[in-house]
Amino acid sequence: DTGVSQNPRHKITKRGQNVTFRCDPISEHNRLYWYRQTLGQGPEFLTYFQNEAQLEKSRLLSDRFSAERPKGSFSTLEIQRTEQGDSAMYLCASSSDTPPDTGELFFGEGSRLTVL
Amino acid sequence: GQNIDQPTEMTATEGAIVQINCTYQTSGFNGLFWYQQHAGEAPTFLSYNVLDGLEEKGRFSSFLSRSKGYSYLLLKELQMKDSASYLCAVTLRLQAQLWSRSSNSGYSTLTFGKGTMLLVSP
Repeated sequence: DTGVSQNPRHKITKRGQNVTFRCDPISEHNRLYWYRQTLGQGPEFLTYFQNEAQLEKSRLLSDRFSAERPKGSFSTLEIQRTEQGDSAMYLCASSSDTPPDTGELFFGEGSRLTVL
Repeated sequence: GQNIDQPTEMTATEGAIVQINCTYQTSGFNGLFWYQQHAGEAPTFLSYNVLDGLEEKGRFSSFLSRSKGYSYLLLKELQMKDSASYLCAVTLRLQAQLWSRSSNSGYSTLTFGKGTMLLVSP
């Protein structure tokens, strides 16, 4: 297994367009997370899946954002009607609930979004 | 709410020792992580502390004091490749009713500090 995979790695779009990012977690991990990171800041939590169920969403996740994990494997994060403030690195992470269950996250390389 | 504080930037010299501090104010603290992040790359796991004391792993050590809400990451024999951002992150214990709704774990997702940018010079 090569770890958490995200694509595209870079996306440049015009304001108002929709974008979709995909995350393929480590295959045996049942938990999947989306974070957003801007320059000089730490990652900010967006949402969390346990298998296919979306169990937690941050207030940062406005109604323009939607995330899915239909079969409990890969996940997509869609941003509709993008705004310049959406420009950020979108990080996906996964973790396992097998002991020892510390909550350690394994991150992907991220998808960098630039909204013009 | 949660508040995690760490210095914004630090500089050090190759071969030296540097200590990066992290303080947190949370309710229901569970554990604390340190991650390293090179520019343009994913955060990678360095250490995890849940009990008070020092955890040593090669050149890196991490300390936790739960009563003081304080942790530090100690980097010894600094190398140029250690220039990176160091992220402190905490997890919280979930209340029983939230736990049963949220997940089959007893803790929250990771909340990160803003990171400390360490620059190692020759």
